[in-house]
Amino acid sequence: GDSVTQMEGPVTLSEEAFLTINCTYTATGYPSLFWYVQYPGEGLQLLLKATKADDKGSNKGFEATYRKETTSFHLEKGSVQVSDSAVYFCALSRSNYKLTFGKGTLLTVNP
Amino acid sequence: SAVISQKPSRDICQRGTSLTIQCQVDSQVTMMFWYRQQPGQSLTLIATANQGSEATYESGFVIDKFPISRPNLTFSTLTVSNMSPEDSSIYLCSVDLAGGNTEAFFGQGTRLTVV
Repeated sequence: GDSVTQMEGPVTLSEEAFLTINCTYTATGYPSLFWYVQYPGEGLQLLLKATKADDKGSNKGFEATYRKETTSFHLEKGSVQVSDSAVYFCALSRSNYKLTFGKGTLLTVNP
Repeated sequence: SAVISQKPSRDICQRGTSLTIQCQVDSQVTMMFWYRQQPGQSLTLIATANQGSEATYESGFVIDKFPISRPNLTFSTLTVSNMSPEDSSIYLCSVDLAGGNTEAFFGQGTRLTVV
């Protein structure tokens, strides 16, 4: 079945550091890929998405590229801020509309 | 976008009892889903709530344990029945506005602790 494997956290960085959170997936066909973020005390929000190979999703300085050859969708940001502290979830969806999530990665950014 | 309200936001329940969680959306939606997030685990889909018919359950989840109602296009409930400590989780309602593979919106979740 479908699965998503995320880099285990927690991840602790200083402000302005470079961020990478690795995500790889297993799925048949051509899934859509997503990164969701959950800020403290809030619900999940879509951060970015990519629906086909080589697409790059971007939002709020975060980027991720759909790499079919490596079945990956790594999340990157060049300079993190304290306000980026949150839990990040990688997920995939096929045509059945259901989301399969990774375990989530807790990011803490210190000033 | 969609605004999803879940109630209650948290609860502490005795084992053997049941809890009903409500999910209200500010617009009519086709697809509504219920997810569970156990401590330290990823989100797992429980079922798809179908308007006017029985919910569609994922493997490992059954209607007797997690009965779901969907009386209209803006509202759904999930009941966690005969609870045990293993049911302690965050339960999340989700909607998909455009019919899939686009963007899912989530409620804030219900944090359930069973003692």
